[in-house]
Amino acid sequence: DSGVTQTPKHLITATGQRVTLRCSPRSGDLSVYWYQQSLDQGLQFLIQYYNGEERAKGNILERFSAQQFPDLHSELNLSSLELGDSALYFCASSTRGGGAVGYTFGSGTRLTVV
Amino acid sequence: SQQGEEDPQALSIQEGENATMNCSYKTSINNLQWYRQNSGRGLVHLILIRSNEREKHSGRLRVTLDTSKKSSSLLITASRAADTASYFCATDATLQGAQKLVFGQGTRLTINP
Repeated sequence: DSGVTQTPKHLITATGQRVTLRCSPRSGDLSVYWYQQSLDQGLQFLIQYYNGEERAKGNILERFSAQQFPDLHSELNLSSLELGDSALYFCASSTRGGGAVGYTFGSGTRLTVV
Repeated sequence: SQQGEEDPQALSIQEGENATMNCSYKTSINNLQWYRQNSGRGLVHLILIRSNEREKHSGRLRVTLDTSKKSSSLLITASRAADTASYFCATDATLQGAQKLVFGQGTRLTINP
């Protein structure tokens, strides 16, 4: 157990639907990062939050949004889902705002859009 | 595009042999990190080397960094079957005004018993 908790582990949904992925960072970590891993695109950075505020944005689609709550857990919302959104979605946390220390990853949420 | 590119894409060796994986990147970095991922699982942080360091060791792992060539290598000595996994380099860099960790495509390592 890495200390980063992601739920659910698996999610199967239909095209056009909306889902919410949840992440609880490791105790004491203020930064949360979301990554998407697919076979053709590899690991793509989506977005980062630090202590409740958006810090950096990567290749995140407009159909996707995220937020970090006062208790530091984060949610990634994916809407108007398409087949191509099927992927592993990882959350990672770190103690600081950047990557000065290694990131701790959760075990991921496997999203399948049918 | 990905900041890090890894070579080889796949590597298969016998147990006990050493495995070397290489990573090249494009821009200036703050540090470079290596991660391991077992099939379909989360990534595990292995080692971090700062831009002012040239070599770092952790157990059976040895990482080198050449900032002039924008490249790094990960050496796993005396490989074991449990080392079978995908290995990713990730560069911590300031891109477009924000600090980001960007991953390469990874090297799939298979250790044959």
